[in-house]
Amino acid sequence: EIVMTQSPASLSVSPGERATLSCRASQRVGSNLAWYQQKPGQAPRLLIYGTSTRATGIPARFSGSGSGTEFTLTISSLQSEDFAVYYCQQYNNWYTFGQGTKLEI
Amino acid sequence: EVQLVQSGAEVKKPGESLKISCKGSGYSFTSYWIAWVRQMPGKGLEWMGISQPGDSDTKYSPSFQGQVTISADPSISTAFLQWSSLEASDTAIYFCARRASLAAGGRAFDYWGQGTLVTVSS
Repeated sequence: EIVMTQSPASLSVSPGERATLSCRASQRVGSNLAWYQQKPGQAPRLLIYGTSTRATGIPARFSGSGSGTEFTLTISSLQSEDFAVYYCQQYNNWYTFGQGTKLEI
Repeated sequence: EVQLVQSGAEVKKPGESLKISCKGSGYSFTSYWIAWVRQMPGKGLEWMGISQPGDSDTKYSPSFQGQVTISADPSISTAFLQWSSLEASDTAIYFCARRASLAAGGRAFDYWGQGTLVTVSS
């Protein structure tokens, strides 16, 4: 099983600042990496797939990068609605989620 | 509009059986795999398994193999997740999610149900 490790577990930032979230896979997953956003009481929402492709309707301030085993989600200028928990997911070998990064003010 | 609508919250006792549902609409139900994801209270997301409603091909996470059964009824565009004997540790929110097409989501989960809260308590 591929283990996904996200860091940090939580990140305190201010609106307008840049946030960088990391995700590491225990083995290479190619570009088969997605990011999801989950707000309290809601289902997760797909943000990024294929490491760097934004899903439909996702603002350009969200960007993904990386390859192999190291991946990054960057939010360029945080808006109030971006404070949430973010999960990475590999789908190279079935599916595994990271444990999440909580983005808070 | 693509929608996945899940059945309502359930309260069960240990040892009881349960079957929850996820109804798809706005797309060809048999053309997309449906996954199930568990979220225990205050915890992260765990992939449980995935099934192709068109031919019943199903893959389970090793952590959930033998613990749950995933199925679907294409005639009513509905996927199911069931337990034969619940335990208190099954208390969680369960989400269904559609696996995207390779061309438009790279097999990530592009649409999600609203979640079903299952509470197991004596």
